[in-house]
Amino acid sequence: NAGVTQTPKFRVLKTGQSMTLLCAQDMNHEYMYWYRQDPGMGLRLIHYSVGEGTTAKGEVPDGYNVSRLKKQNFLLGLESAAPSQTSVYFCASSSAGATQYFGPGTRLLVL
Amino acid sequence: SNSVKQTGQITISEGASVTMNCTYTSTGYPTLFWYVEYPSKPLQLLQRETMENSKNFGGGNIKDKNSPIVKYSVQVSDSAVYYCLLGDVKMEGCGSQGNLIFGKGTKLSVKP
Repeated sequence: NAGVTQTPKFRVLKTGQSMTLLCAQDMNHEYMYWYRQDPGMGLRLIHYSVGEGTTAKGEVPDGYNVSRLKKQNFLLGLESAAPSQTSVYFCASSSAGATQYFGPGTRLLVL
Repeated sequence: SNSVKQTGQITISEGASVTMNCTYTSTGYPTLFWYVEYPSKPLQLLQRETMENSKNFGGGNIKDKNSPIVKYSVQVSDSAVYYCLLGDVKMEGCGSQGNLIFGKGTKLSVKP
């Protein structure tokens, strides 16, 4: 099993550009999550999903959209990137109420 | 290694106050989340707490620290399972290490 994978690993964007981060898991988990981690701020939940076709807002959802068209994939989109979205993004997945497994992270730099 | 421990079950009467403990051990710089799961509903985030030593990249070693959540004047509708989640991630070089660990949850039952 590959576990949780994220693509890309690193990306540089200009302000106003758009991009999509892909998270994939092969553990048949119902729940998937997108977090961002910033220095001094710890992990913050952006959006999460409790099943295929469902999404919900987390703590810091503004400026991001998500989709869960397939159970194994959870996409995080930035429609118009801003420097404040420079961060490290982590995806995680879990069964309900169980340990979350997370991906290796994506470093995003917005100039 | 990292760990999270919670009290298994608490039963109290309506109107009382309750403290639900979350005792954790962390080797990195942690973030602590509290989630609540009502019957047949998805997890909801209650609060997030960044530990003091998260503010520097040195990390540290925290052992058996308690970070409780307190509810005052509870209602029957507060009956749910409350999960404590430890997020402990370090970026090292081009990779990362760490994990996100759920406690087993505290089942809170409020009697009328």
